Amino acid sequence: SQTIHQWPATLVQPVGSPLSLECTVEGTSNPNLYWYRQAAGRGLQLLFYSVGIGQISSEVPQNLSASRPQDRQFILSSKKLLLSDSGFYLCAWGQGAYNEQFFGPGTRLTVL
Amino acid sequence: RKEVEQDPGPFNVPEGATVAFNCTYSNSASQSFFWYRQDCRKEPKLLMSVYSSGNEDGRFTAQLNRASQYISLLIRDSKLSDSATYLCVVNSFSGGYNKLIFGAGTRLAVHP
Repeated sequence: SQTIHQWPATLVQPVGSPLSLECTVEGTSNPNLYWYRQAAGRGLQLLFYSVGIGQISSEVPQNLSASRPQDRQFILSSKKLLLSDSGFYLCAWGQGAYNEQFFGPGTRLTVL
Repeated sequence: RKEVEQDPGPFNVPEGATVAFNCTYSNSASQSFFWYRQDCRKEPKLLMSVYSSGNEDGRFTAQLNRASQYISLLIRDSKLSDSATYLCVVNSFSGGYNKLIFGAGTRLAVHP
């Protein structure tokens, strides 16, 4: 069966510091991978989407970037965090025409 | 108008009650629909997929009305463990790929 891992689970970072969040998927090959952010009390916002190694689509302009160095690895990065980057970051994988997606446990980021 | 709209609740119901959540979507070309369940500070988990007019799984029934662009989720015989936020999700084709659009969620609290 497929599993999806994210780390770290929680993170507190100062404004202006860099960020690297990692997501890996097991039990499937060539998945579509997604990064979402959920602000407190808000819905999920799609940040990045990837259909394969090195293929990244950005959904909204921001100071975040994403990379996919391996088939089942998806990384979210920032060179300088802003206060507004605080939130719950979720990685998801999906396959199939209907686009069912399955989420990792998430990283709760607080920028101070 | 938001792409996916839900009543935010909260719905406070006693154990054993039947409760229904409603959701409307704006993209008439959408082909697949989902209900996710999200517990407090956890990742969303897929509850039901809805591809045709409806789907039933135990105490849960989802219905789709394409003409009215309306989806519903019915929970019968509510349990304390059903307390969570329920997310209405619509798959839309935009910018050359399928993407999930999430509603902000409806909160359910089941009490003894």
